[in-house]
Amino acid sequence: SQQGEEDPQALSIQEGENATMNCSYKTSINNLQWYRQNSGRGLVHLILIRSNEREKHSGRLRVTLDTSKKSSSLLITASRAADTASYFCAGEEYGNKLVFGAGTILRVKS
Amino acid sequence: SQTIHQWPATLVQPVGSPLSLECTVEGTSNPNLYWYRQAAGRGLQLLFYSVGIGQISSEVPQNLSASRPQDRQFILSSKKLLLSDSGFYLCAFTPREETQYFGPGTRLLVL
Repeated sequence: SQQGEEDPQALSIQEGENATMNCSYKTSINNLQWYRQNSGRGLVHLILIRSNEREKHSGRLRVTLDTSKKSSSLLITASRAADTASYFCAGEEYGNKLVFGAGTILRVKS
Repeated sequence: SQTIHQWPATLVQPVGSPLSLECTVEGTSNPNLYWYRQAAGRGLQLLFYSVGIGQISSEVPQNLSASRPQDRQFILSSKKLLLSDSGFYLCAFTPREETQYFGPGTRLLVL
């Protein structure tokens, strides 16, 4: 079963703009993680936010977590063409099991 | 440093043939290991996970099985492939921390 549901499913922006992706999940989680996947490649871990955290930053990435609404958002500031990829949220359940959403396809046009 | 290897990168197999995909991890001991499948344009579905040698948990009923003969080796198998087994298979591990690290994946096409 899928834990996270991302929206939008696809996002197209101009280079330099900010990109915001949202994720909702269904059950209790230990943490929520965001991953990036370039076409046909493996996943790369971007950032992890624990259930007792509300906001976290890493470079141009900003992640928020609202456990009361069971939702998270990923903001990429000052986007670049190289940010073009699919982005997935994943909630970590018991036993380090990750349950992934369907992902957001981000296209950054130069 | 910790690394994860998967092979082959691409595989084309006829329906009814067997399957064996291998994943190995270096630079860590006693990791949790995972097999995921990703259908085209979709998120990842957890198939199996293992917390130790010989310990396999299956998440969804299917035509596949997994084995962990050694601490850092995880194998995904099938005795007879179905068309619906086509997809992108990803192996991952956690070195007793929260972050999962993914291999490069194997693209399987069953014809």
